[in-house]
Amino acid sequence: QQKVQQSPESLSVPEGGMASLNCTSSDRNFQYFWWYRQHSGEGPKALMSIFSDGDKKEGRFTAHLNKASLHVSLHIRDSQPSDSALYFCAASEPQGGYKLTFGTGTSLLVDP
Amino acid sequence: GGIITQTPKFLIGQEGQKLTLKCQQNFNHDTMYWYRQDSGKGLRLIYYSITENDLQKGDLSEGYDASREKKSSFSLTVTSAQKNEMAVFLCASSRTGGTEVFFGKGTRLTVV
Repeated sequence: QQKVQQSPESLSVPEGGMASLNCTSSDRNFQYFWWYRQHSGEGPKALMSIFSDGDKKEGRFTAHLNKASLHVSLHIRDSQPSDSALYFCAASEPQGGYKLTFGTGTSLLVDP
Repeated sequence: GGIITQTPKFLIGQEGQKLTLKCQQNFNHDTMYWYRQDSGKGLRLIYYSITENDLQKGDLSEGYDASREKKSSFSLTVTSAQKNEMAVFLCASSRTGGTEVFFGKGTRLTVV
């Protein structure tokens, strides 16, 4: 069973629009959550981390964490064509060296 | 900044062949990882190493061996390549303690 599940699998938004990505974990040991972004032909790169309940904003990107429901979301406002990429949610726990467990990803396409 | 270099970028092997993928990092990170990326399945952890001379199995270690030759290098061996091995193998590194994980660009494996 996938411990980190993402939805939707793919998403298309117009340039300037809002993109919303969701992630749910089934393992209550996970305490730390990350969003990674991967452009074609590249390795994933960290966008942002969120470790506490509530919102965290970095520029056009806002992450939200609800530890009670183990739900994390990422919202991208004013989406740009350069935001078109694969987005992964990842979770970790202190046991096992904080290794990351990844979701299956959301493919985002921003139409110019 | 630093960089993670994976060699080769493309690897074509025959079914049953033993194949080795190499990774070097100059971040001076303690922890290194090998992930496998299949289309539609996200990233799955094969092996990781918290420090030089340490080796830990991930969720997908069967059919693979790994070796942490020194702090900066981590290699992965596919012990007997199978046609369903075709995937991108990503090497990564991080400091200890749940910090950002940095990825290389990957080695794309094709088995014929």
